[in-house]
Amino acid sequence: QSALTQPRSVSGSPGQSVTISCTGTSRDFGNYNYVSWYQQHPGKAPKLIINDVSKRSSGVLDRFSGSKSGNTASLTISGLQAEDEADYYCCSYEVTSTSYGFGTGTKVTVL
Amino acid sequence: EVQLVESGGDLVQPGGSLRLSCAASGFTFSPYTMHWIRQAPGKGLEGIAYISTTGSTIWYADSVKGRFTISRDNGKNSVYLQMNSLRDEDTAVYYCTRDKSTVAFDYWGQGTLVTVSS
Repeated sequence: QSALTQPRSVSGSPGQSVTISCTGTSRDFGNYNYVSWYQQHPGKAPKLIINDVSKRSSGVLDRFSGSKSGNTASLTISGLQAEDEADYYCCSYEVTSTSYGFGTGTKVTVL
Repeated sequence: EVQLVESGGDLVQPGGSLRLSCAASGFTFSPYTMHWIRQAPGKGLEGIAYISTTGSTIWYADSVKGRFTISRDNGKNSVYLQMNSLRDEDTAVYYCTRDKSTVAFDYWGQGTLVTVSS
């Protein structure tokens, strides 16, 4: 499975909203909802924030939301806060090949 | 408390071998598919292998197929990664993760560093 494409970086001021896209092929997303998103702070292990396209993981604030349309999945962070500054990765499972892959990663900067 | 603790990372020469271990605690291990995911220095995440609950389904990324072997011992609550014919490009932090559904990695270990260099 080829890497999913994400913007290298996005930025926003505190309180604003930012959206990170994750673009693949019809094989990557198909008619299934096997898309997840991870937040990674420097030197730390990634943290699951969204699975099954739009389900927030336990303890994750509702400022984080996920969606999917066609061959693109998206993560929106609303009410941007300083602690949201991190790298974010999408991940999708390809049913036909039973393989999966991560996106290229997006660095979110809070201005 | 759920914990995943990796061990076995080291400095190894190209062509060498290493065996990584991941000890799980704080949850019932056997019902979960387990994954190894790696991250090269300054790079993104790469899923490299997973093993289903009984070991009946195993997948490898093309980058490690034929060189790495994943296994698990449900009696010891552990998952392993045997790495042979190591290459410079295998240098990375290796994470052990639990998959709570399908590519929903809800718990990660702290990672173990593998450095392949002469």
